[in-house]
Amino acid sequence: EAGVAQSPRYKIIEKRQSVAFWCNPISGHATLYWYQQILGQGPKLLIQFQNNGVVDDSQLPKDRFSAERLKGVDSTLKIQPAKLEDSAVYLCASSPRGGMGETQYFGPGTRLLVL
Amino acid sequence: KNEVEQSPQNLTAQEGEFITINCSYSVGISALHWLQQHPGGGIVSLFMLSSGKKKHGRLIATINIQEKHSSLHITASHPRDSAVYICAVSSEETSGSRLTFGEGTQLTVNP
Repeated sequence: EAGVAQSPRYKIIEKRQSVAFWCNPISGHATLYWYQQILGQGPKLLIQFQNNGVVDDSQLPKDRFSAERLKGVDSTLKIQPAKLEDSAVYLCASSPRGGMGETQYFGPGTRLLVL
Repeated sequence: KNEVEQSPQNLTAQEGEFITINCSYSVGISALHWLQQHPGGGIVSLFMLSSGKKKHGRLIATINIQEKHSSLHITASHPRDSAVYICAVSSEETSGSRLTFGEGTQLTVNP
């Protein structure tokens, strides 16, 4: 079974530029998560999708971050414009149904550096 | 104060040593997860538990719901165990499967 795929693996941009990350979850998984992990910290949930609907985006900085999962399969996370403090690893995860306590399967992450 | 706290933040051990990483949480939970993160960012789920104890190979995870505390033990540690170990909880107070993460414990096992 293929795991969660993410691209690119690394990205370096200048502040005020735009960037987009892509995630393809495990086939059949209804729930998709985007996390931001700043160096030395645990991951922080940015947004959770159930199929193509948003379940939780309470911690997403909506003035600059946006995400979509139009067909309920793969997803794109965008930052526009980027700030220095956005430098982090962006992790995508998926789970079968999004039930309480369900195991989440993580992708390799996209490491973003904003200069 | 974070809802999930881990100790120690950093741990260095010699190969073969018994290792314990601790996690305390302050909210009601439906489950607690132990995760392993290697350099490069990918995260692997090690355990999910809501009571008692689970064992997988050289790894053992325990949880005490009354004390809101969990431990991850590694027996006969090996350099390949070097990674960041993260505790995360599914809170009863938040929606669905949202996880709240600790800040991780960086483990280095020297040969």
